[in-house]
Amino acid sequence: NAGVTQTPKFRVLKTGQSMTLLCAQDMNHEYMYWYRQDPGMGLRLIHYSVGEGTTAKGEVPDGYNVSRLKKQNFLLGLESAAPSQTSVYFCASSYLKRGSYEQYFGPGTRLTVT
Amino acid sequence: RKEVEQDPGPFNVPEGATVAFNCTYSNSASQSFFWYRQDCRKEPKLLMSVYSSGNEDGRFTAQLNRASQYISLLIRDSKLSDSATYLCVVNLFNGGATNKLIFGTGTLLAVQP
Repeated sequence: NAGVTQTPKFRVLKTGQSMTLLCAQDMNHEYMYWYRQDPGMGLRLIHYSVGEGTTAKGEVPDGYNVSRLKKQNFLLGLESAAPSQTSVYFCASSYLKRGSYEQYFGPGTRLTVT
Repeated sequence: RKEVEQDPGPFNVPEGATVAFNCTYSNSASQSFFWYRQDCRKEPKLLMSVYSSGNEDGRFTAQLNRASQYISLLIRDSKLSDSATYLCVVNLFNGGATNKLIFGTGTLLAVQP
């Protein structure tokens, strides 16, 4: 049981380049999330998904797109990277437990945009 | 005002000390509450949920005061391995359609030998 995995772990992009971050979970969780974490800001929700084929915007969605074609995978795309997107990106998944949704996080992707 | 506010620290304490972290949240509709732990350059991991009646897990005790919109975490007999950032997290559960976790910026704990 690998839990939540993310690829790649590190990436350096030039401004304007595109890339896709992959998140995979093997816990059969319905909900999946993408966050970014910046110093002094805490984790901020980019997009999330409540099930296969559905996605929704979070707090900071601009400049990102997502897709959830399979229940176990949640992809985050940057179409035209900007230096402001330099951050650590975390994927998470969750299920319903006792009326609340505890989230399990992947190890993160460190992205630098130059 | 931030939705979830924490003292950023750092809290530098000797081994064996008792340390308390506090957190306040602004949205009275918040439904669920958690403390997560994040080690340096690692992902956040759930430490414990916080229930209305308060709850304890070994050396860790969590308290919730809904009237004051205040959450606390007490760590007794601190260990070197407790050194980490502790994130206060609030869940604005809304029937599943907009389930959101709101994270505080975290409190850094450094336990000294």
